[in-house]
Amino acid sequence: AQKITQTQPGMFVQEKEAVTLDCTYDTSDPSYGLFWYKQPSSGEMIFLIYQGSYDQQNATEGRYSLNFQKARKSANLVISASQLGDSAMYFCAMRGINYGQNFVFGPGTRLSVLP
Amino acid sequence: NAGVTQTPKFQVLKTGQSMTLQCAQDMNHNSMYWYRQDPGMGLRLIYYSASEGTTDKGEVPNGYNVSRLNKREFSLRLESAAPSQTSVYFCATSGQAPNYGYTFGSGTRLTVV
Repeated sequence: AQKITQTQPGMFVQEKEAVTLDCTYDTSDPSYGLFWYKQPSSGEMIFLIYQGSYDQQNATEGRYSLNFQKARKSANLVISASQLGDSAMYFCAMRGINYGQNFVFGPGTRLSVLP
Repeated sequence: NAGVTQTPKFQVLKTGQSMTLQCAQDMNHNSMYWYRQDPGMGLRLIYYSASEGTTDKGEVPNGYNVSRLNKREFSLRLESAAPSQTSVYFCATSGQAPNYGYTFGSGTRLTVV
């Protein structure tokens, strides 16, 4: 079975500073993908970044980067130069290649960016 | 360029009433999903459809039924709503695993009183 753990229910960060949101996972799939989604107060789910389990380099998308440590089974999201608009819920998710290919989501981390 | 269209956005039901949540995608994806989101529990899979004509139970299927009407449409039905089904429901679609993420609908906020 697959499982995602996000141990930080809530985080605070000062505007313009960097913040790391933790995510650990458990899977027996040989190949899998790791994803981060943002959910602002408006409710929609916004895809942020993807990391493949066989990717050699850590994924980056603008101010978002994924600190992928395969041996530790961790996929932490790093947001650089935080902005007030980054205040939202952040979900880590994974997807394997087994039948069904369904996503498993973590419980989320609520990030609040302080002015 | 709508992606995933989900209706309605809001709904209030009385206990025992029925309703159907509609979802349509224009991304030509085979796989479609229904999730519910509850505080502190992330998103939990209710049902999914790996391809047209197939549906399978997810983590929390009790009290729900689904229909994959065609490749574009995947509906979720509550036959007899219960207060425990008060939640935010998301429809999603995706390409092939593992390197394709979900595209989500905008969500339906359902309250059962």
